[in-house]
Amino acid sequence: SQKIEQNSEALNIQEGKTATLTCNYTNYSPAYLQWYRQDPGRGPVFLLLIRENEKEKRKERLKVTFDTTLKQSLFHITASQPADSATYLCALGDQTGANNLFFGTGTRLTVIP
Amino acid sequence: EAGVAQSPRYKIIEKRQSVAFWCNPISGHATLYWYQQILGQGPKLLIQFQNNGVVDDSQLPKDRFSAERLKGVDSTLKIQPAKLEDSAVYLCASSPPATNEKLFFGSGTQLSVL
Repeated sequence: SQKIEQNSEALNIQEGKTATLTCNYTNYSPAYLQWYRQDPGRGPVFLLLIRENEKEKRKERLKVTFDTTLKQSLFHITASQPADSATYLCALGDQTGANNLFFGTGTRLTVIP
Repeated sequence: EAGVAQSPRYKIIEKRQSVAFWCNPISGHATLYWYQQILGQGPKLLIQFQNNGVVDDSQLPKDRFSAERLKGVDSTLKIQPAKLEDSAVYLCASSPPATNEKLFFGSGTQLSVL
């Protein structure tokens, strides 16, 4: 069955630095990959989607890369701020009829002022 | 635009009791999902509806879980009887027509089974 691993349970970085989160997967060939942000007591919020034929996507201070050969996605937050502190989830999707998403366990990011 | 509404926010029950969760998706969203998120894990799909039909319920423990989406709008997820391992956050999500790729989640119902 498919397996999704996010680099670590928790990541602490200094404000202003770039945070880099990793998502690795096995036994799967996703058509697209998504990143979500989840705050305590809230549901996940969609951030970015990148398709299998795309190498990189950007949105404001966020950047996502997708390497289907390495089966890996990197999620970068540049000029990080304490407000970026949250859990970040990667999710893989296919384009079968169900279009189901398979989520990783998440990485809890803390940006230290 | 109103988001996905869920109720209740919290529920505490004893094992073997029954519980029901309610979800109202974003207006116009044809697809509705129920996910289970156990503490420290990512959300896991339980069931997906397209309008009022079930698209995927392969991971729903059907001996105790049931869900319905009458009239293709609101949905209810029920657990009967509950087990200790059902303690989790139950998230409802919806997605707009033409694409199921971007999900909009509600805040979830946190269930504690004692």
